[in-house]
Amino acid sequence: GQQLNQSPQSMFIQEGEDVSMNCTSSSIFNTWLWYKQDPGEGPVLLIALYKAGELTSNGRLTAQFGITRKDSFLNISASIPSDVGIYFCAGHSRDDKIIFGKGTRLHILP
Amino acid sequence: NAGVTQTPKFRILKIGQSMTLQCTQDMNHNYMYWYRQDPGMGLKLIYYSVGAGITDKGEVPNGYNVSRSTTEDFPLRLELAAPSQTSVYFCASSTSGTGHNQPQHFGDGTRLSIL
Repeated sequence: GQQLNQSPQSMFIQEGEDVSMNCTSSSIFNTWLWYKQDPGEGPVLLIALYKAGELTSNGRLTAQFGITRKDSFLNISASIPSDVGIYFCAGHSRDDKIIFGKGTRLHILP
Repeated sequence: NAGVTQTPKFRILKIGQSMTLQCTQDMNHNYMYWYRQDPGMGLKLIYYSVGAGITDKGEVPNGYNVSRSTTEDFPLRLELAAPSQTSVYFCASSTSGTGHNQPQHFGDGTRLSIL
């Protein structure tokens, strides 16, 4: 079946560093979504991407919908402690299925 | 601004017991979803509904049942709880838009342990 490969699985960074994570698939997706999950809570939408090549920002977050429609990346600039959490990508396929990546766990070192 | 509300937040069940996880949303969303999240894993779709009276199986429906009698409510039922159903369960909803590609709004989850 369709799968999303999200990487890295986890990241340990210093406060102030930039962060980059991505999702790839062998299948084409019509929509890419990026969510963040804080401990004990449900995922919250960060950015939604609907067109190939689309580059969208939300504050310090920037995400892009890959030209091939098979990948997407999320960048976080100048990380701060509240960025800690799990980031999920999700893709909506042409056959109307929703697939979630396994998440990238972001840790910020003091 | 309630959004998606899930109850209970925590529950411990014995093997073989049954229970219903409640989910309600006040955004008038047509689409609703149930996911389970196992440790270190992403979300797996159990069941979904595109409107009142319509439900469909997701990726991992075995051992669960759902109903959608109203737009607001989408309960998930476990009939015979098994240890493999220990997980965190998330309910989500979205507008219909052009299919399932609208962003989903999630509840805070129900943490279920089967002992």
